[in-house]
Amino acid sequence: SQKIEQNSEALNIQEGKTATLTCNYTNYSPAYLQWYRQDPGRGPVFLLLIRENEKEKRKERLKVTFDTTLKQSLFHITASQPADSATYLCAPTDSWGKLQFGAGTQVVVTP
Amino acid sequence: DAGVTQSPTHLIKTRGQQVTLRCSPKSGHDTVSWYQQALGQGPQFIFQYYEEEERQRGNFPDRFSGHQFPNYSSELNVNALLLGDSALYLCASSRVIYNEQFFGPGTRLTVL
Repeated sequence: SQKIEQNSEALNIQEGKTATLTCNYTNYSPAYLQWYRQDPGRGPVFLLLIRENEKEKRKERLKVTFDTTLKQSLFHITASQPADSATYLCAPTDSWGKLQFGAGTQVVVTP
Repeated sequence: DAGVTQSPTHLIKTRGQQVTLRCSPKSGHDTVSWYQQALGQGPQFIFQYYEEEERQRGNFPDRFSGHQFPNYSSELNVNALLLGDSALYLCASSRVIYNEQFFGPGTRLTVL
């Protein structure tokens, strides 16, 4: 069956450093991979989408890579700020737009 | 633009009862998806509606059903509630040609 794995342990990082999150998937060939941010008690918020034929995508301080051979995506937050503290969800997506979410990785940025 | 709205915010039901949750998509969006999120887990895809028809379905029993109306709003119905149905139910809308989804705040369902 399809499986999406994200770091289960919280990532504690100092302000100004780069946070790197990993998303691995098995038994799945997504057309896209999306990353969302979720704050406690709220719905996820879309951050970035990367297509299967793209290697890297950037948006402001965020960068995503997508390696379809390794079946892995890396998500980077550069120059992290306390406001970046949240849970980050990866979601491989099929060509019909069906998202399969991982359990998420909590990021805690301390001043 | 109000974004995606869901009602009610919270709901408490007992086992065996039935529940209906409602969702209004973001203006201009024609596709609605429903997700179930248990505590500490990522959202799990229930189903997706487009042009008033269920287009895709996740691994959920037939107790979970839905509907999409001509104005693109949607309902999620759950029959014969079980304790394990307690979760945050999220609605997300999108335009069919795009894949990024806009989520509502969710409905917190508690089954006693």
